[in-house]
Amino acid sequence: DGGITQSPKYLFRKEGQNVTLSCEQNLNHDAMYWYRQDPGQGLRLIYYSQIVNDFQKGDIAEGYSVSREKKESFPLTVTSAQKNPTAFYLCASSRFWGQAFFGQGTRLTVV
Amino acid sequence: SQQGEEDPQALSIQEGENATMNCSYKTSINNLQWYRQNSGRGLVHLILIRSNEREKHSGRLRVTLDTSKKSSSLLITASRAADTASYFCATDVANAGGTSYGKLTFGQGTILTVHP
Repeated sequence: DGGITQSPKYLFRKEGQNVTLSCEQNLNHDAMYWYRQDPGQGLRLIYYSQIVNDFQKGDIAEGYSVSREKKESFPLTVTSAQKNPTAFYLCASSRFWGQAFFGQGTRLTVV
Repeated sequence: SQQGEEDPQALSIQEGENATMNCSYKTSINNLQWYRQNSGRGLVHLILIRSNEREKHSGRLRVTLDTSKKSSSLLITASRAADTASYFCATDVANAGGTSYGKLTFGQGTILTVHP
């Protein structure tokens, strides 16, 4: 059953902690994306990757880091440098210049 | 700043009416896409229109693209209560020559409410 999977669905972070959000796809897509969505807002691009071992900063990359060691996986780390990390995080994948397929999202809350 | 901006921010209509949402963007694009999001969920792709296309249809959806005005519209005909959701446009940003950067950016969205 092909698709894109994000985990966990809910994540709680203490002040000063780094946390990693998982994103896996078995659609054989080259491109993968991470977005942040705040309540009532649109999606803002954090990082994107077109090929393995390469990625680019989006519009709000500060305080976040990613890796792309495998085509199927694009984990996002929210570091302690991100001062306001509470948000809904969405991962997506696509073929080049095609429609994007989204995961169901991870809701991150700072406690 | 966001590449795409939707208008209106919110739209409330009765079942059976048509709903029109607009999207404006700032830079050259390879294609423009429309997505739907139900509350608290991931986004679902609706339709993709390439920069050399002017109009596209899919079921009750009609999308137009005017690259000279850097704008697009999404029309949902004969709306249903189940169409209630947020709708987003997304642009595949390209350079002046039309080559994609592989960067898909989204607007703020339009919240559509269809009353039974």
